[in-house]
Amino acid sequence: KAGVTQTPRYLIKTRGQQVTLSCSPISGHRSVSWYQQTPGQGLQFLFEYFSETQRNKGNFPGRFSGRQFSNSRSEMNVSTLELGDSALYLCASSVDRAEKLFFGSGTQLSVL
Amino acid sequence: GENVEQHPSTLSVQEGDSAVIKCTYSDSASNYFPWYKQELGKGPQLIIDIRSNVGEKKDQRIAVTLNKTAKHFSLHITETQPEDSAVYFCAAERNSGNTPLVFGKGTRLSVIA
Repeated sequence: KAGVTQTPRYLIKTRGQQVTLSCSPISGHRSVSWYQQTPGQGLQFLFEYFSETQRNKGNFPGRFSGRQFSNSRSEMNVSTLELGDSALYLCASSVDRAEKLFFGSGTQLSVL
Repeated sequence: GENVEQHPSTLSVQEGDSAVIKCTYSDSASNYFPWYKQELGKGPQLIIDIRSNVGEKKDQRIAVTLNKTAKHFSLHITETQPEDSAVYFCAAERNSGNTPLVFGKGTRLSVIA
């Protein structure tokens, strides 16, 4: 069974640009969660989608958004990038609730 | 909301010794407590979890204990091996199905051969 796939693996952007990250969950998993990981703050919850609906949202500005498609694949978008958005963005899927998460390897975003 | 504190932030042990990582949580309604292991260049991987109706759970060399009264839980790794070197995260969740996992800030474990 294929794991959680995140693309791209690495991204370099400049301030003010926008970026879209993609996540393909494990087949049969309907819940997709996104986390931001930084050395100082650890894993911070961004949002969770279940059956194309945002079920939970973390304490991030509106520049961070996401969506989920009918095949459970998910994308997250960050607009007007800031230097502080540099981080590893992790996607995780689960069968139907935000526990027993299976994580992808992440997208390492660098904002210059 | 939930807050999870994790200690220590770094831990070095000799191969064969035991390692213990401790976490405390703030929300008394939390009842699901997983532990994740993150190796370099990879995403976190679930290694063991425990629910609040159980005080201890063991899987080979790893075990987790939970004290609901004190609101803390711990990860115990016995007979440590070099491949146990990684960052370990604890987490807590209110098991309502509609709240996310809240993670501790992680413990970097180094097992010295």
